[in-house]
Amino acid sequence: EVQLVESGGGLVKPGGSLRLSCAASGFSFSYAWMNWVRQASGKGLEWVGRIKSKTDGGTTDYAAPVKGRFTISRDDSKNMLYLQMNSLKTEDTAVYYCTTEEQQIIDLWGLGTLVTVSS
Amino acid sequence: DIVMTQSPDSLAVSLGERATINCKSSQTVLYSSNDKNSLAWYQQKPGQPPKLLIYWASTRESGVPDRFSGSGSGTDFTLTISSLQAEDAAVYYCQQYYSCPYTFGQGTKLEIK
Repeated sequence: EVQLVESGGGLVKPGGSLRLSCAASGFSFSYAWMNWVRQASGKGLEWVGRIKSKTDGGTTDYAAPVKGRFTISRDDSKNMLYLQMNSLKTEDTAVYYCTTEEQQIIDLWGLGTLVTVSS
Repeated sequence: DIVMTQSPDSLAVSLGERATINCKSSQTVLYSSNDKNSLAWYQQKPGQPPKLLIYWASTRESGVPDRFSGSGSGTDFTLTISSLQAEDAAVYYCQQYYSCPYTFGQGTKLEIK
């Protein structure tokens, strides 16, 4: 069974940092393109960024609001995806979802982890 | 960036009736190379992550009931639920994957009348 389990969310002060993790299982993680998508409480979905598989170059793309502050990485030996978030702002408060991407289609989602940025 | 705009923001439909949600992109999402539209539809119920329903504008994901259908091309798309069931009450999102950044519509809340 394909499973994505996010962790690492919590309360952090503005300007602080947090690293989210996503444990993947049930599929060939090393070949998968992976995304992060976030959702503020009661709001819509916002794409954060993605990382391609190493066989496809391992490159990353980011949404403008997070570019330069967030970094997506992966450890294929551990089937893990990461989101390093620096210089956090109150507007980064959201549930963060880890997703797979197949032929550019975001298909499978984890349950999400809540990040709250507040003083 | 491609802006996705859904209409209406919310609607209420009776059980067994048809529900229609529209999505418009600010530029085409049609790949001329393969004649496919890079448009997906998701369903999200309270407290759950989104679930993929439709991709390439009209291809149903495995396991999705056939009362869900997608149509449209270029910049205008529609999600239709042919005979509404109680479990279809949810928020529906369209999303383009034609180019990064991927972008979503603002969502349409579907309620049972």
